[in-house]
Order: sequence, then C-alpha cells, then structure tokens
Amino acid sequence: GQQLNQSPQSMFIQEGEDVSMNCTSSSIFNTWLWYKQDPGEGPVLLIALYKAGELTSNGRLTAQFGITRKDSFLNISASIPSDVGIYFCAGQNTLTSGTYKYIFGTGTRLKVLA
Amino acid sequence: DTEVTQTPKHLVMGMTNKKSLKCEQHMGHRAMYWYKQKAKKPPELMFVYSYEKLSINESVPSRFSPECPNSSLLNLHLHALQPEDSALYLCASSQDPLPSANEQFFGPGTRLTVL
Repeated sequence: GQQLNQSPQSMFIQEGEDVSMNCTSSSIFNTWLWYKQDPGEGPVLLIALYKAGELTSNGRLTAQFGITRKDSFLNISASIPSDVGIYFCAGQNTLTSGTYKYIFGTGTRLKVLA
Repeated sequence: DTEVTQTPKHLVMGMTNKKSLKCEQHMGHRAMYWYKQKAKKPPELMFVYSYEKLSINESVPSRFSPECPNSSLLNLHLHALQPEDSALYLCASSQDPLPSANEQFFGPGTRLTVL
C-alpha cells in the first residue's frame, strides 16, 4: 500500500545528542501523527498535529506540521537510552465515505549509544 | 481505562486450524481497526469498523474474517492461513468521526506464527 517517505531510515547517536527525523509526501494530509514502537509492542502515540505550521512539544519531543501540509518533522532533544525504538509518522486522510485512514511512513530506527 | 488490550499475546497455528484474535477497549471509542505488521515494516491497514459497522476492507483475503460484537470488542477470525500470514496483528481504536479526535490508540499486538 501507499507509504510516506521517512528519513533517515536508521540512525545511531550518542546519548545526550539531539535527533531529527522527517516525513514527506506528495499528497496533502489533514493531520500528522508521530508514534514510537518498541520491539514486540504496539505503536505508542507521541504527538498529533492538526494545523499547517503547528509546532507542538511533548517533553523532549517537538514536532511540526509543514506549511504545505505535505511534510512533518520530529525532534528529540538530549536523547537517552530509552529513546531506542522505531519512530513512525502517519498522515491522516479523509475518505469520501467520511472515514479516516492513516498512511504510515517507512519508519526511522533509532539506536542510542550510552 | 485508557488502553487497548489484545489476546492472545502469541499464537502458533497450523494451516488447517481455526483461531480468533480478540481486542477490547473501554474508552468509549466508536472506531476500531485491524492492522497487520511484518518485521521492520509499518503497520498495514486491514479493516476499519465505525459504529460497529465494517467501513473499510483493504482487499483482505477471506481467510481473515473480522467481527465487531459490540462497541468495545473486535475479533479477527482466522481460517486456513498461509505461512506468509505470520506477522504482528495490531488492533487500534479511535473516537471517530471527528477529525480532531481521531487519534488511534494501539494495543500491544498478537504475534501470529502459521506453520
């Protein structure tokens, strides 16, 4: 199925460093969301963005909804070992039926070196 | 209660078996979803139920049969699966239909292995 382009695909960083990842699409989305998934677990919602240009923080996490509505980025400041995992972006579309559907990004695998 | 629960956590089945996956939420959400996730890939949508009615079927093979007995429960009945159906099956729910309240909350998943 359709996927969003997410980069980088994976990254190794030192504990304490800041991390940045982004998600781009050729289509416009109404909502952008960021999830984190640990191995063998379900994705956990980190941040949801509803308006173009919106900048939202959740602790050490900051995400922005791109002005063109075709992209979003997620920043993690001062990374810690428990930030390890796979980060997925998701764009949400409204279908003609009125139902909402997620399109997921390809994921960014983050590894933090202590 | 702000979580989505799924049972079983792990399931191993043969190709001739019939089994069911269960999902439950008590957040009053009116939309529930089944996703399939292969290793190192994003979740792929299978089915969406909105107000207990099937609203999306992403061309899923008939060996997967969803059921929504009530607004809190979602089942996925499995029959005559293939080894390539082995994956993590995720259930999610959302408040639906308002766009500002459509964040999806995921359960921990059922790890399915088909032998």
